[in-house]
Amino acid sequence: AQRVTQPEKLLSVFKGAPVELKCNYSYSGSPELFWYVQYSRQRLQLLLRHISRESIKGFTADLNKGETSFHLKKPFAQEEDSAMYYCALSGHSGNTPLVFGKGTRLSVIA
Amino acid sequence: GAVVSQHPSRVICKSGTSVKIECRSLDFQATTMFWYRQFPKQSLMLMATSNEGSKATYEQGVEKDKFLINHASLTLSTLTVTSAHPEDSSFYICSARLAGGGGSYNEQFFGPGTRLTVL
Repeated sequence: AQRVTQPEKLLSVFKGAPVELKCNYSYSGSPELFWYVQYSRQRLQLLLRHISRESIKGFTADLNKGETSFHLKKPFAQEEDSAMYYCALSGHSGNTPLVFGKGTRLSVIA
Repeated sequence: GAVVSQHPSRVICKSGTSVKIECRSLDFQATTMFWYRQFPKQSLMLMATSNEGSKATYEQGVEKDKFLINHASLTLSTLTVTSAHPEDSSFYICSARLAGGGGSYNEQFFGPGTRLTVL
């Protein structure tokens, strides 16, 4: 069964502190993993995907197949990072929908 | 970047009426679009996968006769909530898939959502 687990509903950190948003997945095969972000009153938008191995807004995420994890990290949190973050997975087929985790609300305190 | 629009952004209707929500990909063609429902402070729940020129694929527990999906063109999918009731009040979000070259990745672009309130 496909499943994405984000164990934390809310994560509060101080500005400048490191951030790690946890994501674990269950999938039979090799999924594609994504992080989406939803800022207040804005639409959901892609933050990063595992295959591109890029850093966006200082965030990185490494796919760990052994631990079936795709944790999102940033060394120094900024106030503008406060948002809702969703981990998601998809199969490689063009018709495979995204399966979302329940999301983690990140609150960066000044 | 790829843009997806939804119309209307907000709708209020009386119980028993039907409401149509449009989802358009503005600058790309989307053979596949997805419809989600989001309850307050909760995650997105996939309702159905909309394929251009064919019937939609509904997720378990989603009534296909209540949530009619039509994907008549490569840039437009519509969701019609028939005989709406207060429990159908929710935030409905569509997304369109931009297929990657060689199947290397498949990114989805999301619409801004439509807030439906059924009185």
